[in-house]
Amino acid sequence: GAGVSQTPSNKVTEKGKYVELRCDPISGHTALYWYRQSLGQGPEFLIYFQGTGAADDSGLPNDRFFAVRPEGSVSTLKIQRTERGDSAVYLCASSQKAISGGAYNEQFFGPGTRLTVL
Amino acid sequence: AQKITQTQPGMFVQEKEAVTLDCTYDTSDQSYGLFWYKQPSSGEMIFLIYQGSYDEQNATEGRYSLNFQKARKSANLVISASQLGDSAMYFCAMRGFWGGGSNYKLTFGKGTLLTVNP
Repeated sequence: GAGVSQTPSNKVTEKGKYVELRCDPISGHTALYWYRQSLGQGPEFLIYFQGTGAADDSGLPNDRFFAVRPEGSVSTLKIQRTERGDSAVYLCASSQKAISGGAYNEQFFGPGTRLTVL
Repeated sequence: AQKITQTQPGMFVQEKEAVTLDCTYDTSDQSYGLFWYKQPSSGEMIFLIYQGSYDEQNATEGRYSLNFQKARKSANLVISASQLGDSAMYFCAMRGFWGGGSNYKLTFGKGTLLTVNP
């Protein structure tokens, strides 16, 4: 079956511009997560959706970052007034549901969007 | 708060030999899960193996096994019979279960770059 897809795979933009990153989760997965992976680091949590609502956005670094999931499926991560420090790989993951103890509830990751801010 | 420490930035192993990748963790959660992911150069995070904190036996998945020592707070990954395709970044991660703020977000270490030599 289809996995998590993310578009674009690469995005190069200029400082100060606005960008949108899209995530299409696995069909039927109600939980969706965004992570950011800076060079040489592990992924860091940004935001988590359960259905349409953002249940936890505590990882968003500042108010330039915003994410939506209007119909409970596709999600868009929006970054305003991009800065060079925003350059990273943005990973999206989905799972059947967020709260559970078993590995069957594992998060499946997409290939990521590599964002470069010049 | 949760923390994952991977002290080996890089590891080398000969093809067909076994290798151990180290991971130590810290958490205040009573119940938690530990995960290992593989990230090839393509960027996608691939789930390898999972260990629950109350599982009495060490987890195994094919050539992967997790050496879980709860008292020492370590969760080392053992790869047996290494293959050239095992060359990748490996990340240890954890999340808490059953309530609290950490029961869905994964906390990752910085990773270990494994190179398998022919």
